Amino acid sequence: EVQLVESGGGVVQPGGSLRLSCAASGFTFDDYAMHWVRQAPGKGLEWVSLISGDGGSTYYADSVKGRFTISRDNSKNSLYLQMNSLRTEDTALYYCAKDGDYGYYFDYWGQGTLVTVSS
Amino acid sequence: EIVMTQSPATLSVSPGERATLSCRASQSVSSNLAWYQQKPGQAPRLLIYGASTRATGIPARFSGSGSGTEFTLTISSLQSEDFAVYYCQQYNNWPPERTFGQGTKVEIK
Repeated sequence: EVQLVESGGGVVQPGGSLRLSCAASGFTFDDYAMHWVRQAPGKGLEWVSLISGDGGSTYYADSVKGRFTISRDNSKNSLYLQMNSLRTEDTALYYCAKDGDYGYYFDYWGQGTLVTVSS
Repeated sequence: EIVMTQSPATLSVSPGERATLSCRASQSVSSNLAWYQQKPGQAPRLLIYGASTRATGIPARFSGSGSGTEFTLTISSLQSEDFAVYYCQQYNNWPPERTFGQGTKVEIK
């Protein structure tokens, strides 16, 4: 059974940093690209970042480019998101999601970890 | 960036009736389109990928159609558990950014 469990969320002041983690199990982790997707309170879904299976390629939404860094440790079946220079508009529930078997959709999602940026 | 536009924003439907949700892409995404269902307090769940292929365990009352820029999700006979928010998402190979529509809320009439 595929499981994705996020952690690391919390309350941080504007300009601060936070590192999110996602522990994966139930599939061959390094076979799949992984993503972070966020959802601001009461709002829709926003794709944040993706990393290829081998970690060699990364992509970011314009809204986080230069501030967030995605990474993975395939030996630990773990995905990370380092978030720096946080802004109030980064407040959201952050999900990690697995790429699909037949394309670049998201076939499994974690339950999310909440990041609140507030002074 | 490919912009996805869903309509309507809210759809009021009685149980047992058919619901038709639309999703339009600002440029062709071929059949690289997925649909998700999200209930309050839950993570999104994949319903459809490849515009028309049901994901594992998804009931046959859910169907997807379309290609290029126009897509439709149809729920043939709404059950109580189907009242939720539905999102479309494109996943063209390039650019690699994945974009979602703003969502359609299906509510009880």
